[in-house]
Amino acid sequence: EDQVTQSPEALRLQEGESSSLNCSYTVSGLRGLFWYRQDPGKGPEFLFTLYSAGEEKEKERLKATLTKKESFLHITAPKPEDSATYLCAVQAAGNTPLVFGKGTRLSVIA
Amino acid sequence: DGGITQSPKYLFRKEGQNVTLSCEQNLNHDAMYWYRQDPGQGLRLIYYSQIVNDFQKGDIAEGYSVSREKKESFPLTVTSAQKNPTAFYLCASSSWRGGQETQYFGPGTRLLVL
Repeated sequence: EDQVTQSPEALRLQEGESSSLNCSYTVSGLRGLFWYRQDPGKGPEFLFTLYSAGEEKEKERLKATLTKKESFLHITAPKPEDSATYLCAVQAAGNTPLVFGKGTRLSVIA
Repeated sequence: DGGITQSPKYLFRKEGQNVTLSCEQNLNHDAMYWYRQDPGQGLRLIYYSQIVNDFQKGDIAEGYSVSREKKESFPLTVTSAQKNPTAFYLCASSSWRGGQETQYFGPGTRLLVL
């Protein structure tokens, strides 16, 4: 069974304090790993897709990386507006639906 | 202005009542999805449809029904058989480009039981 585990469940950072969120996965043939940002009471917003180990993608203060067992979302010098829940999802080979983790709730304090 | 719309934003259900949540997209996406989100539970798949007039059950389909008569529309009915319907419901659709799929979400509908 495909599984996604995100850690930590919640993370509190001071503004400018860089850190990483983890997404560990077990999947039978990875087709893609997805990162989303979700603000309270809103739908998830697409951030990145990673397809193969060693791949990296960046967007502003966020950088996502992928290995064969996990993905990291690095946040460099975060600002209060980066506060949100970050969701990770994987898609297995065979055009199967995404499997989501429970998310990491990030709070950045000014 | 392209996107996914969900209505209503808030919906109240009485005991024994069926309610229908609307999801419309003008992105020309073939696949559409319904998820349920509870606090601390992440997103759980209810139903999905990869083409018009066809849909499949997800992990938690019991107490729900869907239809896909048009490419743009994928309504979800929460039936009286769903005993714990209070949750945040998210609709999504996906596009394929270069053999790669990306899923986009609507703004959500919050369902509350009176």
